[in-house]
Amino acid sequence: NAGVTQTPKFRILKIGQSMTLQCTQDMNHNYMYWYRQDPGMGLKLIYYSVGAGITDKGEVPNGYNVSRSTTEDFPLRLELAAPSQTSVYFCASTLSEDTQYFGPGTRLTVL
Amino acid sequence: EDQVTQSPEALRLQEGESSSLNCSYTVSGLRGLFWYRQDPGKGPEFLFTLYSAGEEKEKERLKATLTKKESFLHITAPKPEDSATYLCAVKTQGGSEKLVFGKGTKLTVNP
Repeated sequence: NAGVTQTPKFRILKIGQSMTLQCTQDMNHNYMYWYRQDPGMGLKLIYYSVGAGITDKGEVPNGYNVSRSTTEDFPLRLELAAPSQTSVYFCASTLSEDTQYFGPGTRLTVL
Repeated sequence: EDQVTQSPEALRLQEGESSSLNCSYTVSGLRGLFWYRQDPGKGPEFLFTLYSAGEEKEKERLKATLTKKESFLHITAPKPEDSATYLCAVKTQGGSEKLVFGKGTKLTVNP
């Protein structure tokens, strides 16, 4: 099993551009999450999903959108990128219980 | 509001010098406390889950303990490869499987 995979690993965007961060898990987990991690600030929840077709906002959802059309995939969409969205983004998944498994992250810079 | 506070922010140890990291929490009903290890440029890696006061778990040189207000991660005779950022997170009742993270403790073990 590959676990949780994320693409791309690095990306530089210009202000106002859009992009989609991809997340895929092969563990048949129903719960999936998107976090952002800023230096010295810990992990903040952006959006989460409890199953295909069901998503909900986390602590910092503004400027982002998600969809969950399959169990495996949970893409995060950035519309009109802003410098404040410069961060490291982590996707995680779990099977209705406690241990969340994290992907390797996407480092995004908005200039 | 659920809060997780980790201390110290950074800790430098000599190889073999045992110490403890602290995670204090104020939550509306604890369903679990989690410890993760994060290496630079990587996603968090799961270490332990604790569910109730008095519970302890061990893995190699690490031991995690839990009281009603805080958790400790004890590191016995650390080695340089234990250098990492250690993250604490809590899951609360009614939290839809969401985790609230502390900001982490950066541990450096010098040879």
